[in-house]
Amino acid sequence: AQSVTQPDIHITVSEGASLELRCNYSYGATPYLFWYVQSPGQGLQLLLKYFSGDTLVQGIKGFEAEFKRSQSSFNLRKPSVHWSDAAEYFCAVVSIYNQGGKLIFGQGTELSVKP
Amino acid sequence: DVKVTQSSRYLVKRTGEKVFLECVQDMDHENMFWYRQDPGLGLRLIYFSYDVKMKEKGDIPEGYSVSREKKERFSLILESASTNQTSMYLCASSLELAGPGYEQYFGPGTRLTVT
Repeated sequence: AQSVTQPDIHITVSEGASLELRCNYSYGATPYLFWYVQSPGQGLQLLLKYFSGDTLVQGIKGFEAEFKRSQSSFNLRKPSVHWSDAAEYFCAVVSIYNQGGKLIFGQGTELSVKP
Repeated sequence: DVKVTQSSRYLVKRTGEKVFLECVQDMDHENMFWYRQDPGLGLRLIYFSYDVKMKEKGDIPEGYSVSREKKERFSLILESASTNQTSMYLCASSLELAGPGYEQYFGPGTRLTVT
């Protein structure tokens, strides 16, 4: 069965420091991969998505992610974190052969930003 | 601008009550979804609908039912609320079920407490 693992439950970084959030997936075919962000009290907002082509994907708010098939990973990065990036981040995969087109989410990583 | 709205942000109900959570989208999307979000578990799909009056079970449908009488509205029903259904409930919609255009748009969520 498809699954998504985010190994880090909580990460704290200093403002201005670089960030990498890890995501590993288990899926037999070519995955469609997503990163969503959830600010406190809000719904989820799409940061970026990967379907095919260039394995380095640019998203909103200065985020990027790199798809590495050999490592079954889709890690999210940002070169310089801002205090407003404090939120929960979710990695997700969708099956292109699934009749429902369901999103399968990881457990989430909560990001705290130190001043 | 894309919009998914949910009828309540916070809801408190008693054990055994029948509970209705309403979701409305204004994007003319075919597909709608209900998730519950619990700490450490990410988002789990309860039910989804790919057309009016059509529904499919997700990963955790037990104790829930849904109704979709109009394209823009998707209701989640707890027939007899129990304390283990205390959670954050998120509604989402998408235009496509799969493919490069796939994206789910989320509402702000309803935090339900069952006492």
